[in-house]
Amino acid sequence: EVQLLESGGGLVQPGGSLRLSCAASGFTFSTYAMSWVRQAPGKGLEWVSSISGSGDSTYYADSVKGRFTISRDNSKNTLFLQMNSLKVEDTAVYYCARGMEAARVDWGQGTLVTVSS
Amino acid sequence: AIQMTQSPSSLSASVGDRVTITCRASQGLRNNLGWYQQKPGNAPKLLIYAASSLQSGIPSRFSGSGSGTDFTLTISNLQPEDFATYYCLQDSNYRWAFGQGTKVEIK
Repeated sequence: EVQLLESGGGLVQPGGSLRLSCAASGFTFSTYAMSWVRQAPGKGLEWVSSISGSGDSTYYADSVKGRFTISRDNSKNTLFLQMNSLKVEDTAVYYCARGMEAARVDWGQGTLVTVSS
Repeated sequence: AIQMTQSPSSLSASVGDRVTITCRASQGLRNNLGWYQQKPGNAPKLLIYAASSLQSGIPSRFSGSGSGTDFTLTISNLQPEDFATYYCLQDSNYRWAFGQGTKVEIK
């Protein structure tokens, strides 16, 4: 059974940093691209970032480019999202997601990030 | 980047109704289009992938169609558990894009 378990969310002040983790199990982690998707309170889903299976290629939404860094440790089956210079508008539930073929995605349960003073 | 325009943003329907939700892509997607259902407090749930393939375990009243830039999710014989928010997703070349969502409410 595929499992994606996010951790690392919490309350942080504007301008602060936070590192999210996603522990993956139930599949060969290194063979899949992975992504982060977020959902602000009462809003829709927003793609944040993706990384290739090898980790060599990374992609970011314009809203987080230059502030967030996606990475992975294939030896530990773990995906990361380093979030710096956080803004109030980054407040959201952050989902870890495994992308398969043709928009077929597995999701974690999400972790809440709150940016507030 | 590819953008997705989903409509309507909300609709009211009754149990037993047929409901149609559409997504239009800003450029052709081949079949890289999925439909997801989300209920409050839960992660999205896959319904349809590859534009028209029904995910295992999903009732056959859900169906997807379309190609290129225009895609449709149809729910026939709407059931009480179907009242939720629905999103389309395209995942071409690693840069995903979601539709704005359609909230299906009880009339």
